[in-house]
Amino acid sequence: DQQVKQNSPSLSVQEGRISILNCDYTNSMFDYFLWYKKYPAEGPTFLISISSIKDKNEDGRFTVFLNKSAKHLSLHIVPSQPGDSAVYFCAASETSGTYKYIFGTGTRLKVLA
Amino acid sequence: NAGVTQTPKFQVLKTGQSMTLQCAQDMNHEYMSWYRQDPGMGLRLIHYSVGAGITDQGEVPNGYNVSRSTTEDFPLRLLSAAPSQTSVYFCASSYLGQGVQPQHFGDGTRLSIL
Repeated sequence: DQQVKQNSPSLSVQEGRISILNCDYTNSMFDYFLWYKKYPAEGPTFLISISSIKDKNEDGRFTVFLNKSAKHLSLHIVPSQPGDSAVYFCAASETSGTYKYIFGTGTRLKVLA
Repeated sequence: NAGVTQTPKFQVLKTGQSMTLQCAQDMNHEYMSWYRQDPGMGLRLIHYSVGAGITDQGEVPNGYNVSRSTTEDFPLRLLSAAPSQTSVYFCASSYLGQGVQPQHFGDGTRLSIL
C-alpha cells in the first residue's frame, strides 16, 4: 500500500519554462511534506517543505503547493534550468510520535537546453 | 564538515554472508534512519532510531538488524544476505522536534548479493 505516490516517473521540460512535479498521498494524518532532489551517485538533498497548516511555501525558484482536501501536493520550478535535472522525491511524515518519513517513488526531471 | 558518512560505497556479497553497513554523523542529530532505494520503489524505510539505545522498525525491516549505542553511529546489519537485498542503501539523520526536520543523507552504499 503506497501511502505517497508520484505517478509520473519522468518529465521533460525546456529550459526557462515551468516544471510541475506532482505527489499524492493517502494518509490524512500526514502533517509535514518535503521535497528532496537527488543527483546520480549522491544522496538526496532537502529542497523545500510545507506543513499542513499552509497551502503554499516559496523559496526562490521553488514553490510547493498543498491541497489537503485532494491529498495532493505539487512542486513548481520557475524558471527551469539544466542543473535542475535530477530525480525529485516527495516525502511525508506525521508528528504524532512515529517520526517516520514515507517517500514517493520519485520523478526524473530532465531540463532541455 | 563531514555530515553523514557511509562506508563502504560498494560491496559484493555471496548469498548467506553477513555484513555491516556503517553510518556515522557528526551533527549531534538525535534521529537516524536507514533506507533502501530500488528501481520504481522510491526510498523505503528499513529501521530508524530517535536516540541512543532506541530503535524501531520501518516499512521493510525483515532481514536487517540495527543498534544505536552512540548518538553518532547507526550500523545496519544483514544477518544472512539474500539476492532480494541487492539495493542502494542510504543512511540519514536529523534533529528531532516540532515542525519540519529535514534529513541529511549520506551518499549511499551500493550492495550486490550474488
